[in-house]
Amino acid sequence: DAGVIQSPRHEVTEMGQEVTLRCKPISGHDYLFWYRQTMMRGLELLIYFNNNVPIDDSGMPEDRFSAKMPNASFSTLKIQPSEPRDSAVYFCASSPRGGLEAFFGQGTRLTVV
Amino acid sequence: GQQLNQSPQSMFIQEGEDVSMNCTSSSIFNTWLWYKQDPGEGPVLLIALYKAGELTSNGRLTAQFGITRKDSFLNISASIPSDVGIYFCAGSLMKAAGNKLTFGGGTRVLVKP
Repeated sequence: DAGVIQSPRHEVTEMGQEVTLRCKPISGHDYLFWYRQTMMRGLELLIYFNNNVPIDDSGMPEDRFSAKMPNASFSTLKIQPSEPRDSAVYFCASSPRGGLEAFFGQGTRLTVV
Repeated sequence: GQQLNQSPQSMFIQEGEDVSMNCTSSSIFNTWLWYKQDPGEGPVLLIALYKAGELTSNGRLTAQFGITRKDSFLNISASIPSDVGIYFCAGSLMKAAGNKLTFGGGTRVLVKP
């Protein structure tokens, strides 16, 4: 199994631009999570899905952030418009056991200038 | 909300030493997980604990789920250079609608100069 696959690995964009991060979870995993990691705040859960349905999006910082999971093998996290304070590493993770054990992708390092 | 406090925040190790780190919570969890993150990578699951009092080993790693369900510790025996990295504890409280992990701030393990 290839594990959780995220793209791109690195993204540099200008303030105000739209950014879309992509994730392919491990096949057969029912849960998908989006996390953000910064030095100041550590790992923060943004949103998670169960069977493609968003369950808890209380961690999404603002309306500029949105996430979708159109099918079991693909999810996106979109930031529109992006701001410099959105610069962070964004991780996608998936889980097979009712969300108890999460397997992480390699992350997307986003830099907004 | 739930918070996890990890200690120490950082530590230096010398090859061959045993190291220990712990995690405490203001509220109870049903599951404790320990992850390790290497630079430029996502966190990797090391050990999962599902029952209060449970002691589980994975090679040179040993972790315990505290009786009160509010704490957990991780021990690394006979440390080696590749043990360097950031170790995260994570707690999970299963809910009817699904599950999500709360992460501690991490313990950064470094090699003694």
